[in-house]
Amino acid sequence: DIQMTQSPSSLSASVGDRVTITCRASQNITTYLNWYQQKPGTAPDLLISAASSLHSGVPSRFGGSGSGTDFTLTISSLQPEDFTTYYCQQSYSLPLTFGGGTKVEIK
Amino acid sequence: QVQLVESGGGVVQPGRSLRLSCAASGFTFSTYAMHWVRQAPGKGLDWVAVMSYDGSKKWYAESVKGRFTISRDNSKNTLYVQMNSLRVEDTAVYYCVRPGGVAQSFHYWGQGTLVTVSS
Repeated sequence: DIQMTQSPSSLSASVGDRVTITCRASQNITTYLNWYQQKPGTAPDLLISAASSLHSGVPSRFGGSGSGTDFTLTISSLQPEDFTTYYCQQSYSLPLTFGGGTKVEIK
Repeated sequence: QVQLVESGGGVVQPGRSLRLSCAASGFTFSTYAMHWVRQAPGKGLDWVAVMSYDGSKKWYAESVKGRFTISRDNSKNTLYVQMNSLRVEDTAVYYCVRPGGVAQSFHYWGQGTLVTVSS
């Protein structure tokens, strides 16, 4: 199975800050890496697919990069609604696996 | 618009069974593979199972293999998961998910249904 290691597990930041979350795969997954945002009590929403493709309707302050084993999600200027939890997920091979999540909190 | 509506969750004793359903609408259900993903209270996301668009192929997470059975009825636009021999650690919100795009990312999620396994 491919292990997905996400870091940090939590971070504190302020509105307007630039934030970077990293995700490392235990083997090469090319660009089969997706990012999701989950707000409390709701289902996750797709932010980024295929490592860097912004999903329809997602604000342009979100960006993704990387290939192979190392990936990043960047939020260029945090907005109040961005303080929540983010997950990476590999869709390269079964079983599909997720990172442990990153909780972005208000400083 | 795409809608996925799960049902069938509830409280069940360890060792018992439960069947979840997911009613799909707003897209051609019979042309998409469909997944179940779960999330234990306060924990991360955990992929459970997938079934091919025509029902001919299915795959499971090791943690549910031999206990859970995924199925679908394309005439009713409905996905199912039969959960047998339930364990306390199966307690979670279960989501029905439709993939999409080149990377087969999870484009659409249902609202989830809570399964609680407790004596």
